[in-house]
Amino acid sequence: NAGVTQTPKFRILKIGQSMTLQCTQDMNHNYMYWYRQDPGMGLKLIYYSVGAGITDKGEVPNGYNVSRSTTEDFPLRLELAAPSQTSVYFCASSYVGKVPTYNEQFFGPGTRLTVL
Amino acid sequence: AQTVTQSQPEMSVQEAETVTLSCTYDTSESDYYLFWYKQPPSRQMILVIRQEAYKQQNATENRFSVNFQKAAKSFSLKISDSQLGDAAMYFCAYRNRDDKIIFGKGTRLHILP
Repeated sequence: NAGVTQTPKFRILKIGQSMTLQCTQDMNHNYMYWYRQDPGMGLKLIYYSVGAGITDKGEVPNGYNVSRSTTEDFPLRLELAAPSQTSVYFCASSYVGKVPTYNEQFFGPGTRLTVL
Repeated sequence: AQTVTQSQPEMSVQEAETVTLSCTYDTSESDYYLFWYKQPPSRQMILVIRQEAYKQQNATENRFSVNFQKAAKSFSLKISDSQLGDAAMYFCAYRNRDDKIIFGKGTRLHILP
């Protein structure tokens, strides 16, 4: 079980460039999330998905897009990179069933993105 | 909307001593879940301990325990017998009924040898 994997680990972009951050989980979780973590701050939710084909905005979605074509993959797309998007990006997943329980989120190792 | 507040940006504790990290939250929900996550320099987010709001008994995981005061909306983390490997950022987190997690800004814990 690899858990949640993210690629790349590090990336430097120029202003206006595009890129896709990859996220894959092998735990058969239905929910997946993208967060960003700015220096000295907690994590803020960008987008999330409750299942394949379903995505929704989080707290800070502007400048990002997502898709969820399979249960395993949840890529995050930056179309026109801006310096304000310099951050560490975390992908997470959880299993949410009919019975309320902890449903804790499992996190990937993060991607450090710098936009210059 | 729910909020999570960690009022201590940094704390230090002597190795083998006990330290308590504070967390308060604001919510109108009656049933929810609370977590403490640890983020070492590797940046990996590691779940330390969790608590259901309707359980009055405080959660314990080895050297880690919580003091959950529902009426006061307080969820502090106690680390006993602190070890050098406990040095990290610690985030308090609240999971709401929509399965979204709201994180506090974190407390950086230093362990002094």
